[in-house]
Amino acid sequence: EAQVTQNPRYLITVTGKKLTVTCSQNMNHEYMSWYRQDPGLGLRQIYYSMNVEVTDKGDVPEGYKVSRKEKRNFPLILESPSPNQTSLYFCASSLYYGTPEAFFGQGTRLTVV
Amino acid sequence: ELKVEQNPLFLSMQEGKNYTIYCNYSTTSDRLYWYRQDPGKSLESLFVLLSNGAVKQEGRLMASLDTKARLSTLHITAAVHDLSATYFCAVVNNNDMRFGAGTRLTVKP
Repeated sequence: EAQVTQNPRYLITVTGKKLTVTCSQNMNHEYMSWYRQDPGLGLRQIYYSMNVEVTDKGDVPEGYKVSRKEKRNFPLILESPSPNQTSLYFCASSLYYGTPEAFFGQGTRLTVV
Repeated sequence: ELKVEQNPLFLSMQEGKNYTIYCNYSTTSDRLYWYRQDPGKSLESLFVLLSNGAVKQEGRLMASLDTKARLSTLHITAAVHDLSATYFCAVVNNNDMRFGAGTRLTVKP
């Protein structure tokens, strides 16, 4: 089954404790991206990756890092989380940048206290 | 800077009625998406609109795109309860993809 898998689904952590949210897709997609969803703001893109070892900043990259060492995986790293990073995070992938259909993961609800 | 405005943000409608959700954007666009999100769930792709005048229909939902007006509409015909969800438009310009704030639709019996 074609899917984008995020882990964990829920996470509560403390300020400053490094964390990683994993994202994996099994469709051999080249394009992957991370979004955060906050009430009233829709989804905002954090980072995206056009292919292996090619990443770029989205709309709200501050406080986040990503890596794309393999095509299937695109982890989101918060080196020193802060409460304003409490949000719902989605990973998405598509065959190439610009192909119509984007597949979204199930989301990761992160709370930073 | 690409900005996307959706309205209304909240919509409560009776079953059987028609209504339209609007998505305005501020710069030229490569393509426009409509997504549906159910509570606690991920986003489901509904439509992709690629060119001026594009119209796509699926069941009771019809999406259209006017690139000259920088406007897309999502029209709901004879609403049913199953359509209750939050609907997002997303606009792409170069490598920049921006989402609207979403329209939370509630269809009441």
